[in-house]
Amino acid sequence: DGGITQSPKYLFRKEGQNVTLSCEQNLNHDAMYWYRQDPGQGLRLIYYSQIVNDFQKGDIAEGYSVSREKKESFPLTVTSAQKNPTAFYLCASSILEISAEAFFGQGTRLTVV
Amino acid sequence: GQNIDQPTEMTATEGAIVQINCTYQTSGFNGLFWYQQHAGEAPTFLSYNVLDGLEEKGRFSSFLSRSKGYSYLLLKELQMKDSASYLCAVLDSNYQLIWGAGTKLIIKP
Repeated sequence: DGGITQSPKYLFRKEGQNVTLSCEQNLNHDAMYWYRQDPGQGLRLIYYSQIVNDFQKGDIAEGYSVSREKKESFPLTVTSAQKNPTAFYLCASSILEISAEAFFGQGTRLTVV
Repeated sequence: GQNIDQPTEMTATEGAIVQINCTYQTSGFNGLFWYQQHAGEAPTFLSYNVLDGLEEKGRFSSFLSRSKGYSYLLLKELQMKDSASYLCAVLDSNYQLIWGAGTKLIIKP
């Protein structure tokens, strides 16, 4: 079955540690996205990539980093520079068409203690 | 600035009809999406509108008026499983999705 997989679903980390969230898709989609979702707010774009080895900052990229070494994979690292990292993180992918729907992973809830 | 407004929460009765509104002010417009998101889960695509008018898909319909910067999602014959958040998102002139905060829909028996 084709789909997009995020792991893990729940993640706990100590303050000051970097943590990497995994996102893999087998839909052959060119575009991949990372969003952050906080209560009472819309999804906010962290980073996106439309092609391998290239990615662009979104609205809230500070404190985050990504890589796109393979078409299928777009991991997100939450660094210690991110001041408020506790959130629900969603990865998505789509084809490169205006009307294309985004397919989302199940999300990773990161809690930093 | 860019802004998407949706009601925070709505309550409806099983079997009834509910309309969830979305108003937007964005730099350009290349279409409007509606997604459904159950608590703690991934959003799933419901509809895409780029031209004015009503698009019907089973129990769900979505309407767009570009001149008014307005859309609504209409859900008919409500079922308990429709309890979820409904997210409105607009594709702006830079082809970036601007998301509303979502409307939490509570269905009562």
